[in-house]
Amino acid sequence: QKEVEQDPGPLSVPEGAIVSLNCTYSNSAFQYFMWYRQYSRKGPELLMYTYSSGNKEDGRFTAQVDKSSKYISLFIRDSQPSDSATYLCAMSALDYKLSFGAGTTVTVRA
Amino acid sequence: GAVVSQHPSWVICKSGTSVKIECRSLDFQATTMFWYRQFPKQSLMLMATSNEGSKATYEQGVEKDKFLINHASLTLSTLTVTSAHPEDSSFYICSARDVPSGRPPYEQYFGPGTRLTVT
Repeated sequence: QKEVEQDPGPLSVPEGAIVSLNCTYSNSAFQYFMWYRQYSRKGPELLMYTYSSGNKEDGRFTAQVDKSSKYISLFIRDSQPSDSATYLCAMSALDYKLSFGAGTTVTVRA
Repeated sequence: GAVVSQHPSWVICKSGTSVKIECRSLDFQATTMFWYRQFPKQSLMLMATSNEGSKATYEQGVEKDKFLINHASLTLSTLTVTSAHPEDSSFYICSARDVPSGRPPYEQYFGPGTRLTVT
């Protein structure tokens, strides 16, 4: 079993829809939870981070963490074609090493 | 700020040759750099962690004699793929941290990646 599971999709939504992404994990030592956006053949770009259960909002993005269920989510409201990318969840314990999910490829149709 | 560059962005080499990939932090001092490998439609897999001036720490299953890492300065780390074979073809990404221990792991900046194709 992988430490971090993420449905690779692909996910296709119309412009303006809510994009819902999620990951599950098995390592109880994970303390930090991140979401990255990666465009084709580019390095990942940090979108959101959190280290506690609950919700965190940043503009159109909401990150949700449920440590009891070992489940994290990212919601993108009012999605735009420019949001089309691969979204990676990542987690870390106190050793600062990042464990990534496989990434979900999202296409927002105009 | 916090820009990380990689060179080259794309390289093709013949089987059996060695390839060097550079990772530079352009506007900060990177005490720690990480090297990742990413196969198509798969996640980034951490290969090794390098701290400036000391030997790299490799993840389980990564051959340290094949993937040579040198972190000679606070702004440069290099990954050399020795005797490359087609199965080494992948996307190699580095990241860098500019803070001493105690800061959170999300303060880590990624380079744009290097696509290696071994023929």
